[in-house]
Amino acid sequence: QVQLVESGGGVVQPGRSLRVSCAASGFTFNKYGMHWVRQAPGKGLEWVAFISNDGNNKYYGDSVEGRFTISRDNSKNTLYLQMNSLTTEDTAVYFCAKSSFMILVTHDAFDDWGHGTLVTVSS
Amino acid sequence: QSVLTQPPSASGTPGQKVIISCSGSSSNIEPNPINWFQQVPGTAPKLLIYNINLRPSGVPDRFSGSKSGTSASLAISGLQSEDEGQYYCASWDDSLDAWVFGGGTKLTVL
Repeated sequence: QVQLVESGGGVVQPGRSLRVSCAASGFTFNKYGMHWVRQAPGKGLEWVAFISNDGNNKYYGDSVEGRFTISRDNSKNTLYLQMNSLTTEDTAVYFCAKSSFMILVTHDAFDDWGHGTLVTVSS
Repeated sequence: QSVLTQPPSASGTPGQKVIISCSGSSSNIEPNPINWFQQVPGTAPKLLIYNINLRPSGVPDRFSGSKSGTSASLAISGLQSEDEGQYYCASWDDSLDAWVFGGGTKLTVL
């Protein structure tokens, strides 16, 4: 079955950088796009970014555009999120989610999710 | 403030039917399909309904979705205690060029 395991979260100071990862198994990773979605403590879900199956197409939410970079290594079945210039507003659990498609489509389903990794931005 | 609007809470007794609403606009719900997710506290969200009214395998047919204009609804019939949790709607927004979520509805089974 599909398994997504996030890692790399932790406490980081404002203005610093952090990279979180998502190890995928149970499906053919290079055939599916992937999302990052985050959830601030006690808050709802916020879409962060999407990457196509081949890594050539990337899309970002307004709040992270220019600061975060989504990437993937299909040889390692791993998804990444490089987060720069972090602020306290970025404190959240970061989930990776599998797309139902190779590319960004408006009828995607986010059909499997990892359990998330907590990123805390604090001085 | 979330782009999609959901009531913060809903409740029902075992066996009852509960409906959770999700209100959007002409740039998100109206032109695009909608998904619903269930999240039990401390766990990952789980896809419940996709493309307005389709269920992934393993999701009971007690869960159903519908859409009309700029609003959508999730109906849960034969309410069970294990249905307690947070429910989120989501849709693509053509104006924002982004996926948008509702603020979530906390369902309590009395």
